[in-house]
Amino acid sequence: AQSVTQLGSHVSVSEGALVLLRCNYSSSVPPYLFWYVQYPNQGLQLLLKYTTGATLVKGINGFEAEFKKSETSFHLTKPSAHMSDAAEYFCAVSDRSGGSYIPTFGRGTSLIVHP
Amino acid sequence: KAGVTQTPRYLIKTRGQQVTLSCSPISGHRSVSWYQQTPGQGLQFLFEYFSETQRNKGNFPGRFSGRQFSNSRSEMNVSTLELGDSALYLCASSLGAGGTYNEQFFGPGTRLTVL
Repeated sequence: AQSVTQLGSHVSVSEGALVLLRCNYSSSVPPYLFWYVQYPNQGLQLLLKYTTGATLVKGINGFEAEFKKSETSFHLTKPSAHMSDAAEYFCAVSDRSGGSYIPTFGRGTSLIVHP
Repeated sequence: KAGVTQTPRYLIKTRGQQVTLSCSPISGHRSVSWYQQTPGQGLQFLFEYFSETQRNKGNFPGRFSGRQFSNSRSEMNVSTLELGDSALYLCASSLGAGGTYNEQFFGPGTRLTVL
């Protein structure tokens, strides 16, 4: 069975500072990895995903994530935080189960950006 | 192109009642997935429909059911409501089958409160 752990339910940064949101996974087979963002009263929006190929993945809004198989990690980073980045971020993993991909989401990390 | 729409946005029911939630996917999308989001359990996968067939099902009791129509619109039904069913129910659509292997587009959700 697969699982996803997001370290820290809340991360607080100053505007302009580096954003680092951590995600570790466990999976019996190489998974597909995703980061989603959820703004208040909205659904989830895909930031980026890793399926195969290059391990450094660039997404929308200046975010990127690096797949490290040896560390079973897929941490999300952004060089400089903006106030508009304040939201809930979810890491997700899916691998083939019975021919289809059942997703598992982490518990989420709330990003707080201070002026 | 219009996004995923969910109706109603807010719903209040009492224990023992049943409820039906509706989801209209993005035009051309044939896969619809449903998720339950709660503060305690996070985001949990309910089921996925593709071309009117349930392809995958999460670990939820039989009180939770769904269906998909020929126009890809989907409904989710919860019978004999319990207090613990209070949650945000999210619908997501994608072009192809396979859940989050293909990018999913989420609706804003239906906030269900059970009293």
